[in-house]
Amino acid sequence: QLLLQESGPGLVKPSETLSLNCTVSGGPMSSSNDYWGWIRQPPGKGLEWIGSVFNRGNAYYNPSLRSRVTLSLDTSNKQFSMKLGSVTAADTATYYCARHYARLFFDIWGQGTVISVSS
Amino acid sequence: DIEMTQSPSSLPASVGDRVTITCRAGQSISRYLNWYQQKPGKAPKLLIYSASSLQSGVPSRFSGSGSGTEFTLTISSLQPEDFATYYCQQSYSTQTWTFGQGTKVEIK
Repeated sequence: QLLLQESGPGLVKPSETLSLNCTVSGGPMSSSNDYWGWIRQPPGKGLEWIGSVFNRGNAYYNPSLRSRVTLSLDTSNKQFSMKLGSVTAADTATYYCARHYARLFFDIWGQGTVISVSS
Repeated sequence: DIEMTQSPSSLPASVGDRVTITCRAGQSISRYLNWYQQKPGKAPKLLIYSASSLQSGVPSRFSGSGSGTEFTLTISSLQPEDFATYYCQQSYSTQTWTFGQGTKVEIK
């Protein structure tokens, strides 16, 4: 059974870069059908797709975040990562990593990591 | 981006009720529509994919229908564990994916 686990700093200062990792366990992450995505949820609000990365290196980003986001994949260490630059208070949210099956739906999710942006 | 609009935003209901949530897409998305359930403090859980396919392990009281621009999620007989927020998500676009704003099913 595939499990995903996010890790991150918890607190980030405004204008800094947020770096998050997602570790995959319980199975391979090299299937041709698997993309790996990031979704966030500000407190009390809905879900926002951030971006998804494929194991061949292709990445797709939410247009509203594209200029600040970079996704990467490390299949040998079974991890994928997200960097979000120039953060502001509006980036305060719970960040989830998820398997983006066949670029269709998100079927396996991490438990989420809470990120606060504050000085 | 393809905009997804859910209605209602809040749905008071009682155990045993038949509950229907609607999701409308800003353009035709064929049957590329998925539904998730989220409980407080938890990650979303995939319920339905491709408009009407039940994800493994999801109770059969959940069903989905629709195509084009209008879709519904139905809970045939609401159970206590079904009080949660439900989100639709389109997967028609192959480069950007969007969620609806959510529908909270709450105790009447």
